[in-house]
Amino acid sequence: NAGVTQTPKFRILKIGQSMTLQCTQDMNHNYMYWYRQDPGMGLKLIYYSVGAGITDKGEVPNGYNVSRSTTEDFPLRLELAAPSQTSVYFCASTRDIFNQPQHFGDGTRLSIL
Amino acid sequence: GIQVEQSPPDLILQEGANSTLRCNFSDSVNNLQWFHQNPWGQLINLFYIPSGTKQNGRLSATTVATERYSLLYISSSQTTDSGVYFCAVSPGGATNKLIFGTGTLLAVQP
Repeated sequence: NAGVTQTPKFRILKIGQSMTLQCTQDMNHNYMYWYRQDPGMGLKLIYYSVGAGITDKGEVPNGYNVSRSTTEDFPLRLELAAPSQTSVYFCASTRDIFNQPQHFGDGTRLSIL
Repeated sequence: GIQVEQSPPDLILQEGANSTLRCNFSDSVNNLQWFHQNPWGQLINLFYIPSGTKQNGRLSATTVATERYSLLYISSSQTTDSGVYFCAVSPGGATNKLIFGTGTLLAVQP
């Protein structure tokens, strides 16, 4: 059971470039989340999804887009990379909202130069 | 929105010592988790504990939901316990979104 898998683990982008951070889970979880962690800080929610085809904004959504075409996958898209998006990105999932912990991937470390 | 405060912000221990980390939250929650972020940046899920007490080896946690706080106890600390400990809560609703505290940085010295 792989759990939550994120790719890539590390990436360096130039300002203005675009990229997609991949997240997939094999636990048949309905709820998926993207968080970012800036240095010395806790995580903040970017976007979340309550099921295939349904997404919504979190606390810090500007500069990002998401899609959820399948239960397993929840990619995060950066369209025009900016230095402020340098961060570590975590994907998480949970089966439902009642009495269930969130399971996290290992993160993607992204630098925008 | 709900506020999550952790204390102390950082802590240095000698190997073998015990410690207590605290998490205060400003409103009722239906989810509380403790995480350990290791030096490689991985988030390790320690406890899912919206109320009550749980133990796992040298670690235990207690959440008093009515008084809006949770405690994480580390006994007989080891150097591998070093890292950042986060408390995260979900205020409820239909999404289970987590709100993280700013963490406690723990350094265990040999």
